[in-house]
Amino acid sequence: DTAVSQTPKYLVTQMGNDKSIKCEQNLGHDTMYWYKQDSKKFLKIMFSYNNKELIINETVPNRFSPKSPDKAHLNLHINSLELGDSAVYFCASSQDEQGGTEAFFGQGTRLTVV
Amino acid sequence: GQSLEQPSEVTAVEGAIVQINCTYQTSGFYGLSWYQQHDGGAPTFLSYNALDGLEETGRFSSFLSRSDSYGYLLLQELQMKDSASYFCAVLRGQNFVFGPGTRLSVLP
Repeated sequence: DTAVSQTPKYLVTQMGNDKSIKCEQNLGHDTMYWYKQDSKKFLKIMFSYNNKELIINETVPNRFSPKSPDKAHLNLHINSLELGDSAVYFCASSQDEQGGTEAFFGQGTRLTVV
Repeated sequence: GQSLEQPSEVTAVEGAIVQINCTYQTSGFYGLSWYQQHDGGAPTFLSYNALDGLEETGRFSSFLSRSDSYGYLLLQELQMKDSASYFCAVLRGQNFVFGPGTRLSVLP
């Protein structure tokens, strides 16, 4: 059973399109995150949710909109995709609102904007 | 603000010992974690230090000095499969802030 699963694994799309990435965790964690990993492998926090409530929004363009229908799901919708959005996006979860001590990551979604 | 520094690359041979250092500047610090990421894979948790000292988990050990804002990951008896990127991460409130990563190459 996959702890944190995100779909799709690969996403190739044209500039200007709108796309969504889904994430689900079956660990019973309260906190979920979205990270962006660029070509230099730098992992940057985008959003943090605790029990469906937005906790952190790190200077992300408002074209990116997270949605958390329940604490087990945190989806990411991206409007008007740009070339610079190409990256690997990781969903993660951790135990409690203090972040626990371990983040569990999904397999990643490699987004390529052409 | 917050920042973490790590060497960008380290190379070692099988069976050797390697140490990957991490220095950090952050407020609201809870602890220092280490993650391993193989090419094409997801980051996976290796260790966490909340208090000063050494934590050992098999071939891997992690050290923290809060007064020096410094930590390191020690990998012993290196194996080819240890070739990966290693990230230190600061647990700061409800967020993990990651360092830039160290690319470890293990040579035969």
